[in-house]
Amino acid sequence: AQSVTQLDSQVPVFEEAPVELRCNYSSSVSVYLFWYVQYPNQGLQLLLKYLSGSTLVKGINGFEAEFNKSQTSFHLRKPSVHISDTAEYFCAVSESSARQLTFGSGTQLTVLP
Amino acid sequence: ETGVTQTPRHLVMGMTNKKSLKCEQHLGHNAMYWYKQSAKKPLELMFVYNFKEQTENNSVPSRFSPECPNSSHLFLHLHTLQPEDSALYLCASSQDWGTSGKQETQYFGPGTRLLVL
Repeated sequence: AQSVTQLDSQVPVFEEAPVELRCNYSSSVSVYLFWYVQYPNQGLQLLLKYLSGSTLVKGINGFEAEFNKSQTSFHLRKPSVHISDTAEYFCAVSESSARQLTFGSGTQLTVLP
Repeated sequence: ETGVTQTPRHLVMGMTNKKSLKCEQHLGHNAMYWYKQSAKKPLELMFVYNFKEQTENNSVPSRFSPECPNSSHLFLHLHTLQPEDSALYLCASSQDWGTSGKQETQYFGPGTRLLVL
């Protein structure tokens, strides 16, 4: 069965600093991986996704993530964050043979001035 | 503009009330979903409809009753809820559900914040 672990529930970082939000998954088969962002009082918005091909995936708002099969990780990175990046970030996984998305419990990113 | 709208955005109800949540998608998708988002917990998939047919029910209590009259509209009827049902209820849609070897991207609405007193 697939599962997702987001190792940090809260990540505070200063504006213009780099950030990495960690995501590890558990699955014995091929997977699809997603990062979603949820701004306050809003629904989830897709940041980026890995389906196949290049392991480095670029998304919106300057975010990117790297799929590492050997470490079963899909960490999200941004080289320089802005105040407007303050939000909750969710990692999600779906096995290629499954149809459901399994979400992690989320990481609250707070960008400080 | 996400293309998925939900009403109402906020709802307060007593345990004996009956209310309905509405979701509408303007994306031409065939699959629609209800999720429950509780504080500090992962999103929980509740129901999936594909081409108006319910394809998934993840052991949701019968006090939650979904309805999908067409591919663009999805309702969640609520009755005799409990305080622990207070949460953000999110609707999502995708082009299809369960196409072999292909994971469709899900697009989410803003959610309905529900408080059960």
